[in-house]
Amino acid sequence: QITLKESGPTLVKPTQTLTLTCTISGFSLSTSGVGVAWIRQPPGKALEWLAVIYWDDDKRYSPSLKSRLTITKDTSKNQVVLTMTNMDPVDTATYYCAHLTLGPDILTGYLGGQYFDYWGQGALVTISA
Amino acid sequence: DIQMTQSPSSLSASVGDRVTITCRASQGIRIDLGWYQQKPGKAPKRLIYAASSLQGGVPTRFSGSASGTEFTLTISSLQPEDFATYYCLQHNSYPWTFGQGTKVEVK
Repeated sequence: QITLKESGPTLVKPTQTLTLTCTISGFSLSTSGVGVAWIRQPPGKALEWLAVIYWDDDKRYSPSLKSRLTITKDTSKNQVVLTMTNMDPVDTATYYCAHLTLGPDILTGYLGGQYFDYWGQGALVTISA
Repeated sequence: DIQMTQSPSSLSASVGDRVTITCRASQGIRIDLGWYQQKPGKAPKRLIYAASSLQGGVPTRFSGSASGTEFTLTISSLQPEDFATYYCLQHNSYPWTFGQGTKVEVK
């Protein structure tokens, strides 16, 4: 059974750095094709993809936030960590981590991968002085 | 970046209604699109992947289709538990992008 759980501070001051941890179970980030992504959602607004890290340590970032984001993994701890620097009140949001896998779907033969089929519960982070 | 234009932004419907939500991609994304349902205070839940494949455990009243760069989520007979916000996601190329969401409300 795949589960993900976000943890981190609920309140961060402007200009500070946010560090969020996604603890995974039921799958391994050392398994070929596996990835974990971060997505955020400001209150009342749409979802926004932030970053992804893959089993082979390949990393991709949203271009609009790339200069502020770092994603890393600790396979032995089953954790994925996202850091975001220079936080601003507009970064107030619920931050989610989600599972994905590359490669063919057994049922349909679809080659595009399985994206965000499992999500964490989310962590609300408020940026305020 | 690929823009996903989702419409409508909200709709009012009654139980039993047929509901259609559309996402239009700004360029070709093959069928690299999923649909997600989100209820207040909860994480999104995947309904459809590969544009038209039903996620296991999801009721068959949900269906997806694709025509070029236009993608549609249809709920054939709206049920009380379907009142929620729906998002599309394209994962064809980085940055992955979501639609702006469609809130399905009680009429």
